[in-house]
Amino acid sequence: DVKVTQSSRYLVKRTGEKVFLECVQDMDHENMFWYRQDPGLGLRLIYFSYDVKMKEKGDIPEGYSVSREKKERFSLILESASTNQTSMYLCASSFFLELFFGEGSRLTVL
Amino acid sequence: AQSVTQPDIHITVSEGASLELRCNYSYGATPYLFWYVQSPGQGLQLLLKYFSGDTLVQGIKGFEAEFKRSQSSFNLRKPSVHWSDAAEYFCAVATGGGNKLTFGTGTQLKVEL
Repeated sequence: DVKVTQSSRYLVKRTGEKVFLECVQDMDHENMFWYRQDPGLGLRLIYFSYDVKMKEKGDIPEGYSVSREKKERFSLILESASTNQTSMYLCASSFFLELFFGEGSRLTVL
Repeated sequence: AQSVTQPDIHITVSEGASLELRCNYSYGATPYLFWYVQSPGQGLQLLLKYFSGDTLVQGIKGFEAEFKRSQSSFNLRKPSVHWSDAAEYFCAVATGGGNKLTFGTGTQLKVEL
């Protein structure tokens, strides 16, 4: 089975802190994604990557950046966390458009 | 740009009753369509997908969905719901030339015993 692992299930950070959310997949997938999930808004794409060191903005990239130095690892970075970034963050990798999700990282920014 | 509408935010059904969750998409060409399920505290799991061919697709856990081009719909169905089906369900669409999925806002399913 494909496994997508997000390093932190729950995080609490303070406004202005730099936050790293890590995601690792074990199936050698080319594509990886970061989504944000909020009640009533569904999943919104923040960034995705189709190869090492390649990235593309999704629908809501403002306030976020990403890093993909190795094929299996895709990191989401909040340079200066704000309270409106309190949310559930979901990482996924894909094979022929089928997404495989991690269990999510719930971030609270105080 | 493609979009997905799930008109029902919450649905409650009794265990053993049939279920239909609605999904409408907006896209000019033939879309690739998906249904995902999210159990509480979990990530999303693929239930089924439609790429081409037979418009009635079977998925896991006894779910099926029917693609109706004339109605721009891809509704999810199950003939008899189990209490363990309580979860949030997301419809998603992808374009042929891209590798991104656009998700609907989800339908929360509650199952009454």
